Amino acid sequence: DTGVSQNPRHKITKRGQNVTFRCDPISEHNRLYWYRQTLGQGPEFLTYFQNEAQLEKSRLLSDRFSAERPKGSFSTLEIQRTEQGDSAMYLCASSLFGRGGLDTQYFGPGTRLTVL
Amino acid sequence: DAKTTQPPSMDCAEGRAANLPCNHSTISGNEYVYWYRQIHSQGPQYIIHGLKNNETNEMASLIITEDRKSSTLILPHATLRDTAVYYCIPFISNFGNEKLTFGTGTRLTIIP
Repeated sequence: DTGVSQNPRHKITKRGQNVTFRCDPISEHNRLYWYRQTLGQGPEFLTYFQNEAQLEKSRLLSDRFSAERPKGSFSTLEIQRTEQGDSAMYLCASSLFGRGGLDTQYFGPGTRLTVL
Repeated sequence: DAKTTQPPSMDCAEGRAANLPCNHSTISGNEYVYWYRQIHSQGPQYIIHGLKNNETNEMASLIITEDRKSSTLILPHATLRDTAVYYCIPFISNFGNEKLTFGTGTRLTIIP
């Protein structure tokens, strides 16, 4: 079990550019979550998938944000036309739901985005 | 969602037990108490969870009061690597409520 991985770990971009982040969940975990964390705050929920279906999206997820999990394994989070306010740590988590366990979420190391 | 109250910061001497309190007086009957920690610039790390009974694992112990309105996370022999922000989160996975709601947590500093 290699844990949740995220790439890239750091991304610096100019305002107006598009960026894409990737998350690889723990093998066999059927749920995948995205959170965002700004400086000094706790992580805030953005969206989650069960297998390939996106089941919930936060109001924080504006129309410039899109997330996919096409084959129910890895996921991508794309931000179009980045703004300085998008600068944050983007965290991915995964869990195993429905197998009699408690759906505990395990987090990756995060991708730190800086928009200049 | 249940709300939590945690002290914003605490210090603990290296090698001593660190006791981190959390008040969750509005926790609902089926919500577990989860604890995560976040070391600087890393993702949150799951520590432990419990419902009613006290729990212990290789990282920590969790003491939950009988009325379930508060809990204490105990790190028995704190090391410098335990310096982190600790979050207490009531949570149960139900359809329509899958997200963890993080507060501001307790910043624990282990003093050499």
